[in-house]
Amino acid sequence: GAVVSQHPSRVICKSGTSVKIECRSLDFQATTMFWYRQFPKQSLMLMATSNEGSKATYEQGVEKDKFLINHASLTLSTLTVTSAHPEDSSFYICSARDGHSNTEAFFGQGTRLTVV
Amino acid sequence: AQSVTQLDSQVPVFEEAPVELRCNYSSSVSVYLFWYVQYPNQGLQLLLKYLSGSTLVKGINGFEAEFNKSQTSFHLRKPSVHISDTAEYFCAVSGAGGGNKLTFGTGTQLKVEL
Repeated sequence: GAVVSQHPSRVICKSGTSVKIECRSLDFQATTMFWYRQFPKQSLMLMATSNEGSKATYEQGVEKDKFLINHASLTLSTLTVTSAHPEDSSFYICSARDGHSNTEAFFGQGTRLTVV
Repeated sequence: AQSVTQLDSQVPVFEEAPVELRCNYSSSVSVYLFWYVQYPNQGLQLLLKYLSGSTLVKGINGFEAEFNKSQTSFHLRKPSVHISDTAEYFCAVSGAGGGNKLTFGTGTQLKVEL
């Protein structure tokens, strides 16, 4: 099946710094990528949807200046958490949709962000 | 818009026993339905999906689910569970036709005990 690679799997950063998370589709072209945030023992909350070459669409309540999303190519999307604070600590997961099949989204392994 | 309800937050079961994880959805349009499994500190893996056709869908690891339109349900079943099935299971729905975002349920923690 299609593979989505997400890096890093874990990151610890100091409060006030920025962290970049990468999401790559390894064997397919991802016309659409999604970024989720998951709190402990809770479901996935969609943060934003990004289409290659265009600006991301953010869900209500998600600060677009805080969570910068770039989808510059058909195989790479990045999420940058700017000026991170302890409350940004969470599990972030990306998923990518194959432009051809368009019915299934494939998920990355997730990134555990801890802001100290 | 769609919504998903997973009524059971935790389901304990003994190894080799059958299990059913419940999922109900609501939508004003036709839907696609999915079940995903998540192991600790990992992303989601697709177990199975319903797009159209036969209402009984078979997936990986011996799981199956049945789409019931009249009851707006998509319950997940396995006739005999293993310790390795211990994980979080998420039901998800999207509008049919492709290109639509997924809406997830709150998840069910399946705990298989010896």
